[in-house]
Amino acid sequence: AQRVTQPEKLLSVFKGAPVELKCNYSYSGSPELFWYVQYSRQRLQLLLRHISRESIKGFTADLNKGETSFHLKKPFAQEEDSAMYYCALANFGNEKLTFGTGTRLTIIP
Amino acid sequence: ETGVTQSPTHLIKTRGQQVTLRCSSQSGHNTVSWYQQALGQGPQFIFQYYREEENGRGNFPPRFSGLQFPNYSSELNVNALELDDSALYLCASSPGGSGNTIYFGEGSWLTVV
Repeated sequence: AQRVTQPEKLLSVFKGAPVELKCNYSYSGSPELFWYVQYSRQRLQLLLRHISRESIKGFTADLNKGETSFHLKKPFAQEEDSAMYYCALANFGNEKLTFGTGTRLTIIP
Repeated sequence: ETGVTQSPTHLIKTRGQQVTLRCSSQSGHNTVSWYQQALGQGPQFIFQYYREEENGRGNFPPRFSGLQFPNYSSELNVNALELDDSALYLCASSPGGSGNTIYFGEGSWLTVV
């Protein structure tokens, strides 16, 4: 069975400090990995996906198949990064997402 | 604005009752999925519809059912409501196929008392 684990429910980081949100997964096959973000009073939206290998709002995430991880990183946190972050996976080519339980990131000014 | 709209935004039902939640997909999106998000949890996949046919189902009992209409709008129906059905129900739509972005609605908050 596929599973996504986000070990930190809450994470507080000072503005300007590096951010790393952890995500580990279990899946047999070739998964597609995503990070979704939910800002206060807004809907869930895609932040980035591993196949596009792009940086969005300064965030990057590298898929490490050996460690089955897809950690989200940003070198310098900004106050507007405060939000709920969900890691998710899907079978490659379909859109049925399995989400982790989420990490609430708070940036301290 | 993503264009996925859900109704109602909030509702309260009594245990044993039935509920219908509605979703209007973004224009041109033929794939719609429904998710249940309990408090403090991530969204859980309920089922997906593609061109009016069910196209996959998560670990939810048959009292959770759905419909997709020719205009690609969708309904989620839950019969015999239980207290544990209290959650945020999210609709997500996409154009279908690999590589497309999935857009979520704001959700419908269901409280079962």
